[in-house]
Amino acid sequence: AQSVTQPDIHITVSEGASLELRCNYSYGATPYLFWYVQSPGQGLQLLLKYFSGDTLVQGIKGFEAEFKRSQSSFNLRKPSVHWSDAAEYFCAVGALGAGKSTFGDGTTLTVKP
Amino acid sequence: DAGVIQSPRHEVTEMGQEVTLRCKPISGHNSLFWYRQTMMRGLELLIYFNNNVPIDDSGMPEDRFSAKMPNASFSTLKIQPSEPRDSAVYFCASSLPPGAEQFFGPGTRLTVL
Repeated sequence: AQSVTQPDIHITVSEGASLELRCNYSYGATPYLFWYVQSPGQGLQLLLKYFSGDTLVQGIKGFEAEFKRSQSSFNLRKPSVHWSDAAEYFCAVGALGAGKSTFGDGTTLTVKP
Repeated sequence: DAGVIQSPRHEVTEMGQEVTLRCKPISGHNSLFWYRQTMMRGLELLIYFNNNVPIDDSGMPEDRFSAKMPNASFSTLKIQPSEPRDSAVYFCASSLPPGAEQFFGPGTRLTVL
């Protein structure tokens, strides 16, 4: 069975500081990996995805994530956080043709001025 | 494209009443998902369809919940009778192909008094 663990429920960073959100997954086959962001009162929006190829993927809003198969991780990073990045972030794992994705429990990001 | 459309955006009803939530997926997408989000339980997958056929309804909490997808451009989630514990935000999402990234609607905030 597939599973996703986001170890950090809540993270606080100062504006302008770097950010790393952790995601570990368990999946028997080659995974498809996603990061979504949910701003208050909104639906989830795709930040980036990894299907194959280069293990460092770039997404929207200056985010990037690195797939590390040996560590079963897909951590999200941003070099300099903006106040508008405050939101909840979800990591998800799936596979093409498999239908549903499995979502982590989310990490809430607070940005201090 | 207008994205995934959900209606109503807000619904307030009394316990025992029937509630119907509606979703129009992105044109051409052949997978549709219904989720429920609460503070206590997080994001839960209720049911998903592929090519209008329900594939996995194991997340539907009980017989009071039912979902249909009569055609590729419309789906409903019905709760009858509704209970206060059904209060949540309900999201619809669609994807193409199955397992790829999901596009979420803005959600329906349901309050059952």
